[in-house]
Amino acid sequence: DVKVTQSSRYLVKRTGEKVFLECVQDMDHENMFWYRQDPGLGLRLIYFSYDVKMKEKGDIPEGYSVSREKKERFSLILESASTNQTSMYLCASYPYRGSNQPQHFGDGTRLSIL
Amino acid sequence: QKEVEQNSGPLSVPEGAIASLNCTYSDRGSQSFFWYRQYSGKSPELIMFIYSNGDKEDGRFTAQLNKASQYVSLLIRDSQPSDSATYLCSSESYKYIFGTGTRLKVLA
Repeated sequence: DVKVTQSSRYLVKRTGEKVFLECVQDMDHENMFWYRQDPGLGLRLIYFSYDVKMKEKGDIPEGYSVSREKKERFSLILESASTNQTSMYLCASYPYRGSNQPQHFGDGTRLSIL
Repeated sequence: QKEVEQNSGPLSVPEGAIASLNCTYSDRGSQSFFWYRQYSGKSPELIMFIYSNGDKEDGRFTAQLNKASQYVSLLIRDSQPSDSATYLCSSESYKYIFGTGTRLKVLA
């Protein structure tokens, strides 16, 4: 069974801090995603990656960056955290583009920026 | 126009009734469709997927796909209060697209 693990369930940081959210998957999936989810707005794609060291912007990349140095790990970085980045962050993975496979989600990180 | 559209709800049905959730999509290249259930504060979990026109049944759940009309639906028979959640529709063509979800309330 696919396991997607996010490093923290809850995280509290201060404005201006650099914040790292880590995600690891154990099924050799090529594709990994970072979403944020806010009430009434659904899942919004921040960044995604189709391979090691490859990244593409999603719909709301401003204020975020990502890193994928190894296939199993995809990190989301908030360069200088702001209160409007308080949200639920979800990591997901699936095998490869066009695989007709579902995305598998981690448990999410609820991030609060004070 | 959003690429995957769902009515945000809430959709309220009495316990034991059939809940019908609908989704339309704009990309005719979409090949596969997925329904996820998401409880409040939790991450989405896959409940059904469908690739071919027609119906696909799994227990109390039936997914329906009509590629000519570009809609996907999910039927939940004998709805239970534990089915109360947000249901997300998604499609995959060259990228993954999620709808904003429909909130279902099953009234005991």
